[in-house]
Amino acid sequence: TQLLEQSPQFLSIQEGENLTVYCNSSSVFSSLQWYRQEPGEGPVLLVTVVTGGEVKKLKRLTFQFGDARKDSSLHITAAQPGDTGLYLCAGSPGTYKYIFGTGTRLKVLA
Amino acid sequence: DVKVTQSSRYLVKRTGEKVFLECVQDMDHENMFWYRQDPGLGLRLIYFSYDVKMKEKGDIPEGYSVSREKKERFSLILESASTNQTSMYLCASSWTSGRAYIQYFGAGTRLSVL
Repeated sequence: TQLLEQSPQFLSIQEGENLTVYCNSSSVFSSLQWYRQEPGEGPVLLVTVVTGGEVKKLKRLTFQFGDARKDSSLHITAAQPGDTGLYLCAGSPGTYKYIFGTGTRLKVLA
Repeated sequence: DVKVTQSSRYLVKRTGEKVFLECVQDMDHENMFWYRQDPGLGLRLIYFSYDVKMKEKGDIPEGYSVSREKKERFSLILESASTNQTSMYLCASSWTSGRAYIQYFGAGTRLSVL
């Protein structure tokens, strides 16, 4: 069974701090997505990465896909309370099925 | 913008009732999915459909069925609702761009079965 392990599971930080969330697997993915989900809402797509070593930036968020396409990271610079939420990674092994990460619950305190 | 619309945000049903959850997408996507999300268990795939009238079981199909009569609409049916089906239900649709399979979610339906 393919698994995507996310770390940390929970993170509580002060506004203005930086943080990194990791998404790791022993399997290779053809693409990987990151989502943010707020309580009571569906996950909202943040980014899709496809190429090994790829780096994408979305304002204060930086996403990296590992060279071997088995892992990914999300780095947030100067976190704000609006970044609070559940961050999910999801990998596609090359089919239309997805493997979801275990999730990282982030709380940014003002 | 891709839009995946779930017909209800909140539903309260009684044990034994037949429950229909509806999902519509407006991007002509081939693939549609139903998941449930529970604390500590993450997202689990119930069923997915890769074409009209085509479906495949996901990881937890027991107690559920689906219908896809039109490309844009994917329905989840709980034949006889039970309390252990209380959950957040998420519909998604996806498309392929090169090597990327990109999935979009609806806002979710929180179902309570009493």
